[in-house]
Amino acid sequence: AQTVTQSQPEMSVQEAETVTLSCTYDTSENNYYLFWYKQPPSRQMILVIRQEAYKQQNATENRFSVNFQKAAKSFSLKISDSQLGDTAMYFCAFMKMWDYGGSQGNLIFGKGTKLSVKP
Amino acid sequence: GAVVSQHPSWVICKSGTSVKIECRSLDFQATTMFWYRQFPKQSLMLMATSNEGSKATYEQGVEKDKFLINHASLTLSTLTVTSAHPEDSSFYICSAKPTLRSYTFGSGTRLTVV
Repeated sequence: AQTVTQSQPEMSVQEAETVTLSCTYDTSENNYYLFWYKQPPSRQMILVIRQEAYKQQNATENRFSVNFQKAAKSFSLKISDSQLGDTAMYFCAFMKMWDYGGSQGNLIFGKGTKLSVKP
Repeated sequence: GAVVSQHPSWVICKSGTSVKIECRSLDFQATTMFWYRQFPKQSLMLMATSNEGSKATYEQGVEKDKFLINHASLTLSTLTVTSAHPEDSSFYICSAKPTLRSYTFGSGTRLTVV
């Protein structure tokens, strides 16, 4: 079974600074996807970034980037130039890649990190 | 982009009554939908996977007779909480996969049972 661990329940950062959220996972699969989702106070789940395990290059989306270390099973999220709107819960999630003949994969979430951006 | 519409956004019901939550995929066909439950300040826990035209698959520990799931069409899945009790109060979220590698979430339903 796959597990996702986020060891930082809460973090804070000053506006315009950089912050890194940690995530580790455990799986015996070789092909999978990793995600970071943001859940603001509205509780709408918003995709921040996605990484395919077969890609060595780290994914980036504007101010958001990941450090994907497949051998170490680590998937951290770096937020640069933090903004007040980045205040939210951040969830790391794992999905087994499509398994032909099997069922569509569901997301397995970590417990989340509550990020507060301070002015 | 792909949108999943979830209704109602919040509901208060009396203990012992049933509540139905709907999730519709608006611009894509969802053969599979996932239902999650989220307690305050906790993560999302998968309750069940609904498949169009067949029975839902429930996660261990989830009572299928209490949480009835129907996925009668490619765009609609419903979760009915039967004989609701205060301990069923929670935030329920559905999601679907417009593509093999992407998810779209509904906006969630806050259920309060009094």
